[in-house]
Amino acid sequence: EVQLLESGGGLVQPGGSLRLSCAASGFDFNTHAMGWVRQAPGKGLEWVSVVSGSGGTTYYADSVKGRFTISRDNSKNTLYLQMNSLRVEDTGVYYCAKGYCSNVICQAEYWGQGTLATVSS
Amino acid sequence: DIVMTQTPLSSPVTLGQAASISCRSSQSLVHRDGYTYLSWLQQRPGQPPRLLIYKVSNRFSGVPDRFSGSGAGTDFTLKISRVEAEDVGVYYCMQGTQFPNTFGQGTKLEIK
Repeated sequence: EVQLLESGGGLVQPGGSLRLSCAASGFDFNTHAMGWVRQAPGKGLEWVSVVSGSGGTTYYADSVKGRFTISRDNSKNTLYLQMNSLRVEDTGVYYCAKGYCSNVICQAEYWGQGTLATVSS
Repeated sequence: DIVMTQTPLSSPVTLGQAASISCRSSQSLVHRDGYTYLSWLQQRPGQPPRLLIYKVSNRFSGVPDRFSGSGAGTDFTLKISRVEAEDVGVYYCMQGTQFPNTFGQGTKLEIK
């Protein structure tokens, strides 16, 4: 059974940092692209970042480029999102998602329950 | 970026009746590998999204057969043949053909 468990969310002031983690199990982690999708309160879904199965290729939404860093540790089956210089508009639930393909997402097959990041003074 | 446009944004439906949601992309979703990475996701209230349909018309594991997808190129449709109470939620189309992967605005399905 595929499981994705996010952690690391919380309340932070504007300009602060958070590091999100996603522990994965139930599949060959290093053969699937992984990504982060966020959802602002009452809003739709937005892809934030994707990393290939090997970790060698990364993609970022323009809204987070230069501030967020996606990475993965295939020995620990864990995906990360380092979020720096946080803004109020980064507030939302962050979901970890498993891709079908190895280099890009193709389709997001499984999703975690999400972790809430709140940026507020 | 590929823009995904869904219609309608809200769909009141009677239990047992059919529902249909359209999704149009601003450019072709055919990937260089020949596949079209258009998927449909359901998000029930308070829940994470769940994959229903992938590559236009393939039902994901455990998805009831009352859900079906169709389309090609830039125009796609999700149909629910007989709406049940558990189908209430927001439905999103998503393109996985190129990054940034993008979602439609979402269609809220509610019971009349």
